Amino acid sequence: QITLKESGPTLVLPTQTLTLTCSFSGFSFNTNGVGVGWIRHPPGKALEWLSVIYWDGGERYSPSLRSRLSITKDTSKNQVVLTMTNMDPVDTATYYCGRRSRDNSGYYRFPFDYWGQGVLVTVSS
Amino acid sequence: DIVMTQSPDSLAVSLGERATINCKSSQSILYSANNKNYLVWYQQKPGQPPKHLIYWASTRESGVPDRFSGSGSGTDFTLTISNLQAEDAAVYYCQQYYTYPLTFGGGTTVEIK
Repeated sequence: QITLKESGPTLVLPTQTLTLTCSFSGFSFNTNGVGVGWIRHPPGKALEWLSVIYWDGGERYSPSLRSRLSITKDTSKNQVVLTMTNMDPVDTATYYCGRRSRDNSGYYRFPFDYWGQGVLVTVSS
Repeated sequence: DIVMTQSPDSLAVSLGERATINCKSSQSILYSANNKNYLVWYQQKPGQPPKHLIYWASTRESGVPDRFSGSGSGTDFTLTISNLQAEDAAVYYCQQYYTYPLTFGGGTTVEIK
Protein backbone atom coordinates (compact mmCIF):
# COMPACT_ATOMS: atom_id res chain seq x y z
CA GLN A 1 0.00 0.00 0.00
CA ILE A 2 1.40 3.35 -1.06
CA THR A 3 0.94 6.27 1.29
CA LEU A 4 2.37 9.76 1.59
CA LYS A 5 1.96 12.15 4.48
CA GLU A 6 2.92 15.79 4.75
CA SER A 7 4.05 17.32 8.02
CA GLY A 8 5.16 20.75 9.08
CA PRO A 9 4.03 23.92 10.83
CA THR A 10 0.48 25.06 10.34
CA LEU A 11 1.33 28.70 11.13
CA VAL A 12 4.34 30.58 9.81
CA LEU A 13 5.29 34.20 10.35
CA PRO A 14 5.97 36.43 7.35
CA THR A 15 9.63 36.34 6.22
CA GLN A 16 10.20 33.00 7.96
CA THR A 17 11.34 29.84 6.21
CA LEU A 18 8.85 27.00 5.80
CA THR A 19 10.11 23.44 6.10
CA LEU A 20 7.77 20.63 5.06
CA THR A 21 8.44 16.91 5.21
CA CYS A 22 6.83 14.25 3.06
CA SER A 23 7.08 10.81 4.66
CA PHE A 24 6.10 7.92 2.44
CA SER A 25 5.76 4.15 2.43
CA GLY A 26 5.07 1.42 -0.08
CA PHE A 27 7.78 2.51 -2.53
CA SER A 28 11.35 3.77 -2.45
CA PHE A 29 13.86 5.94 -4.24
CA ASN A 30 15.76 2.78 -5.10
CA THR A 31 13.37 2.29 -8.02
CA ASN A 32 14.36 3.79 -11.36
CA GLY A 33 12.04 6.58 -12.40
CA VAL A 34 10.53 7.33 -9.00
CA GLY A 35 10.07 10.94 -7.99
CA VAL A 36 8.37 12.83 -5.17
CA GLY A 37 7.08 16.31 -5.69
CA TRP A 38 5.12 19.14 -4.11
CA ILE A 39 1.97 20.92 -5.19
CA ARG A 40 0.07 23.64 -3.35
CA HIS A 41 -3.50 24.89 -3.37
CA PRO A 42 -4.17 28.40 -2.12
CA PRO A 43 -7.72 28.88 -0.83
CA GLY A 44 -10.08 29.71 -3.67
CA LYS A 45 -7.32 29.55 -6.28
CA ALA A 46 -5.91 27.01 -8.69
CA LEU A 47 -3.43 24.25 -7.96
CA GLU A 48 0.24 25.09 -8.44
CA TRP A 49 3.15 22.70 -8.95
CA LEU A 50 6.26 23.59 -6.94
CA SER A 51 9.05 21.06 -7.23
CA VAL A 52 10.04 17.41 -7.72
CA ILE A 53 13.08 15.29 -6.87
CA TYR A 54 13.94 12.00 -8.55
CA TRP A 55 15.55 8.71 -7.64
CA ASP A 56 18.81 9.83 -9.26
CA GLY A 57 18.88 13.14 -7.37
CA GLY A 58 17.55 15.18 -10.27
CA GLU A 59 15.57 18.23 -9.16
CA ARG A 60 13.07 20.45 -10.95
CA TYR A 61 11.48 23.66 -9.71
CA SER A 62 8.75 26.09 -10.62
CA PRO A 63 10.62 28.95 -12.33
CA SER A 64 8.50 31.57 -10.56
CA LEU A 65 9.52 30.22 -7.13
CA ARG A 66 12.97 28.80 -7.91
CA SER A 67 14.87 31.36 -5.88
CA ARG A 68 12.90 30.48 -2.74
CA LEU A 69 12.66 26.69 -2.99
CA SER A 70 14.96 23.80 -2.12
CA ILE A 71 14.09 20.10 -2.24
CA THR A 72 16.07 17.24 -0.74
CA LYS A 73 15.56 13.54 -0.17
CA ASP A 74 16.61 11.03 2.45
CA THR A 75 16.44 7.66 0.79
CA SER A 76 17.07 5.71 3.99
CA LYS A 77 14.21 7.44 5.80
CA ASN A 78 11.79 7.53 2.84
CA GLN A 79 11.41 11.27 3.23
CA VAL A 80 11.49 14.37 1.06
CA VAL A 81 11.93 17.84 2.52
CA LEU A 82 10.83 21.08 0.86
CA THR A 83 12.02 24.43 2.17
CA MET A 84 10.53 27.74 1.07
CA THR A 85 12.19 30.94 2.22
CA ASN A 86 10.78 34.38 2.86
CA MET A 87 7.20 33.28 3.40
CA ASP A 88 4.41 35.75 2.66
CA PRO A 89 0.66 35.68 3.34
CA VAL A 90 0.09 34.88 -0.35
CA ASP A 91 1.87 31.56 0.30
CA THR A 92 -1.01 30.47 2.52
CA ALA A 93 -2.14 27.19 1.01
CA THR A 94 -2.64 23.49 1.45
CA TYR A 95 0.65 21.84 0.52
CA TYR A 96 0.54 18.33 -0.97
CA CYS A 97 3.27 15.86 -1.80
CA GLY A 98 2.85 13.26 -4.49
CA ARG A 99 4.68 10.37 -6.11
CA ARG A 100 5.81 10.11 -9.74
CA SER A 101 6.38 6.65 -11.12
CA ARG A 102 6.72 5.08 -14.56
CA ASP A 103 4.43 2.35 -15.81
CA ASN A 104 5.61 -0.97 -17.22
CA SER A 105 6.23 0.69 -20.58
CA GLY A 106 8.56 3.21 -19.02
CA TYR A 107 6.23 6.21 -19.34
CA TYR A 108 4.64 8.42 -16.70
CA ARG A 109 0.87 7.88 -16.89
CA PHE A 110 0.25 10.63 -14.35
CA PRO A 111 2.07 13.73 -13.16
CA PHE A 112 1.64 12.25 -9.66
CA ASP A 113 -0.11 8.93 -9.20
CA TYR A 114 -0.43 9.04 -5.41
CA TRP A 115 -1.03 12.10 -3.25
CA GLY A 116 -0.91 12.83 0.46
CA GLN A 117 -3.86 14.41 2.26
CA GLY A 118 -2.11 17.76 2.44
CA VAL A 119 -1.21 20.18 5.21
CA LEU A 120 -2.69 23.66 5.50
CA VAL A 121 -0.01 26.27 6.08
CA THR A 122 -1.13 29.75 7.08
CA VAL A 123 1.25 32.69 6.84
CA SER A 124 0.24 35.43 9.22
CA SER A 125 1.63 37.67 11.89
CA ASP B 1 5.76 27.78 -19.73
CA ILE B 2 2.74 26.00 -21.20
CA VAL B 3 -0.37 27.93 -20.22
CA MET B 4 -3.48 25.85 -19.59
CA THR B 5 -6.73 27.73 -20.13
CA GLN B 6 -9.92 26.15 -18.83
CA SER B 7 -13.45 27.18 -19.64
CA PRO B 8 -15.96 27.90 -18.32
CA ASP B 9 -14.97 29.00 -14.82
CA SER B 10 -18.19 27.48 -13.51
CA LEU B 11 -21.33 25.82 -14.75
CA ALA B 12 -24.59 24.64 -13.27
CA VAL B 13 -26.08 21.46 -14.70
CA SER B 14 -29.26 19.59 -13.88
CA LEU B 15 -29.10 16.04 -12.60
CA GLY B 16 -28.95 13.58 -15.47
CA GLU B 17 -27.73 16.19 -17.94
CA ARG B 18 -24.29 16.63 -19.51
CA ALA B 19 -21.43 18.87 -18.36
CA THR B 20 -18.67 19.84 -20.76
CA ILE B 21 -15.39 21.40 -19.65
CA ASN B 22 -12.76 22.64 -22.05
CA CYS B 23 -9.01 22.93 -21.61
CA LYS B 24 -6.63 24.52 -24.09
CA SER B 25 -2.84 24.36 -23.91
CA SER B 26 -0.65 27.12 -25.34
CA GLN B 27 1.39 24.53 -27.24
CA SER B 28 1.00 20.91 -28.22
CA ILE B 29 1.33 18.36 -25.43
CA LEU B 30 1.37 15.36 -27.74
CA TYR B 31 4.47 13.26 -27.06
CA SER B 32 5.63 11.72 -30.33
CA ALA B 33 7.48 8.79 -28.70
CA ASN B 34 4.24 7.13 -27.58
CA ASN B 35 1.62 9.27 -29.37
CA LYS B 36 0.06 10.25 -26.06
CA ASN B 37 -1.24 13.62 -24.99
CA TYR B 38 0.22 14.38 -21.59
CA LEU B 39 -2.95 15.78 -20.03
CA VAL B 40 -4.72 14.65 -16.88
CA TRP B 41 -8.13 15.61 -15.52
CA TYR B 42 -8.73 15.81 -11.78
CA GLN B 43 -11.80 16.12 -9.61
CA GLN B 44 -11.35 17.92 -6.31
CA LYS B 45 -13.82 18.19 -3.45
CA PRO B 46 -13.38 20.41 -0.36
CA GLY B 47 -10.82 19.13 2.10
CA GLN B 48 -9.58 16.40 -0.23
CA PRO B 49 -6.59 16.04 -2.54
CA PRO B 50 -7.29 15.98 -6.27
CA LYS B 51 -8.53 12.66 -7.62
CA HIS B 52 -7.46 11.41 -11.05
CA LEU B 53 -10.25 10.87 -13.51
CA ILE B 54 -8.55 10.72 -16.90
CA TYR B 55 -4.91 10.41 -17.95
CA TRP B 56 -3.24 10.71 -21.32
CA ALA B 57 -6.21 12.94 -22.19
CA SER B 58 -8.68 10.13 -22.82
CA THR B 59 -7.88 7.07 -20.70
CA ARG B 60 -10.21 6.65 -17.77
CA GLU B 61 -8.54 5.77 -14.48
CA SER B 62 -9.54 2.44 -12.98
CA GLY B 63 -12.68 2.72 -10.87
CA VAL B 64 -13.86 6.00 -12.40
CA PRO B 65 -17.47 5.81 -13.60
CA ASP B 66 -17.86 5.61 -17.36
CA ARG B 67 -19.97 8.78 -17.38
CA PHE B 68 -16.61 10.61 -17.26
CA SER B 69 -14.85 10.80 -20.60
CA GLY B 70 -11.93 12.76 -22.00
CA SER B 71 -11.20 13.72 -25.59
CA GLY B 72 -8.99 15.93 -27.68
CA SER B 73 -5.43 16.05 -28.96
CA GLY B 74 -2.63 18.50 -29.49
CA THR B 75 -3.83 21.65 -27.78
CA ASP B 76 -7.58 21.28 -27.30
CA PHE B 77 -9.16 18.94 -24.79
CA THR B 78 -12.57 18.26 -23.30
CA LEU B 79 -13.87 16.53 -20.19
CA THR B 80 -17.47 15.38 -20.50
CA ILE B 81 -19.61 14.25 -17.60
CA SER B 82 -22.69 12.50 -18.91
CA ASN B 83 -25.75 11.79 -16.79
CA LEU B 84 -24.56 14.14 -14.05
CA GLN B 85 -24.97 12.82 -10.52
CA ALA B 86 -25.16 14.78 -7.27
CA GLU B 87 -21.76 13.46 -6.21
CA ASP B 88 -20.16 15.03 -9.30
CA ALA B 89 -20.44 18.52 -7.80
CA ALA B 90 -16.79 19.53 -7.46
CA VAL B 91 -13.98 21.56 -8.99
CA TYR B 92 -12.32 20.02 -12.04
CA TYR B 93 -8.77 20.76 -13.17
CA CYS B 94 -6.72 19.87 -16.19
CA GLN B 95 -2.93 19.61 -15.96
CA GLN B 96 -0.24 19.11 -18.55
CA TYR B 97 2.76 16.92 -17.72
CA TYR B 98 4.47 17.11 -21.09
CA THR B 99 7.18 19.41 -19.87
CA TYR B 100 8.36 21.44 -16.90
CA PRO B 101 7.03 23.45 -15.27
CA LEU B 102 4.00 21.24 -14.81
CA THR B 103 1.01 23.55 -15.17
CA PHE B 104 -2.65 23.44 -14.21
CA GLY B 105 -5.73 25.01 -15.64
CA GLY B 106 -7.59 27.50 -13.50
CA GLY B 107 -10.34 25.06 -12.55
CA THR B 108 -14.01 24.70 -13.36
CA THR B 109 -16.64 24.51 -10.64
CA VAL B 110 -19.53 22.19 -11.47
CA GLU B 111 -22.70 22.82 -9.50
CA ILE B 112 -26.00 21.02 -9.54
CA LYS B 113 -28.82 23.16 -10.90
